[in-house]
Amino acid sequence: NAGVTQTPKFQVLKTGQSMTLQCAQDMNHEYMSWYRQDPGMGLRLIHYSVGAGITDQGEVPNGYNVSRSTTEDFPLRLLSAAPSQTSVYFCASSYTLATNEKLFFGSGTQLSVL
Amino acid sequence: GENVEQHPSTLSVQEGDSAVIKCTYSDSASNYFPWYKQELGKRPQLIIDIRSNVGEKKDQRIAVTLNKTAKHFSLHITETQPEDSAVYFCAASKNWGTGNQFYFGTGTSLTVIP
Repeated sequence: NAGVTQTPKFQVLKTGQSMTLQCAQDMNHEYMSWYRQDPGMGLRLIHYSVGAGITDQGEVPNGYNVSRSTTEDFPLRLLSAAPSQTSVYFCASSYTLATNEKLFFGSGTQLSVL
Repeated sequence: GENVEQHPSTLSVQEGDSAVIKCTYSDSASNYFPWYKQELGKRPQLIIDIRSNVGEKKDQRIAVTLNKTAKHFSLHITETQPEDSAVYFCAASKNWGTGNQFYFGTGTSLTVIP
């Protein structure tokens, strides 16, 4: 049982490049989400999903796309990277949010956009 | 949306002393309040949580109190140890049908001085 697995751990992009951050969980969790963590700003929700085929926007969705084709995977896509997207990204999942369940976080991806 | 404020942003205590971190929230419908600990370079991990039908919860050296009327909740760590040094995040969330969001505070960097 690996929990929540994120790849890559580090990434450097040039402005305008695209990339996908991968997130997978093997706990059969319904709920998956992406956060970004910036100094002094805590964790801010980008997008989330309550099940396969269902996604919705969080607090800071601009510049990011997501899809949820399977229960296990929830990739985050940056279509045209900007320096403002330099951040640490965390994927998090929980069994269900119907009763506010504990979030399990991945190990994070440190992204730098030059 | 919900607004969670967290204070202080940094806190230094002597080993063995107590530490208190306070959070306020704005949405009276929020009903779940977790606390996450993030050690340097690691992922956030849940340490304690409280639901709105409970005023206080304790787990060994850590406790959380909730005042729904004032819309604030606090984390108390007693007999602090060097391994308690980390960044602590509070969060608030509520149920609303198929969707849910966790709103995080900006974090408190706790240093326990041996």
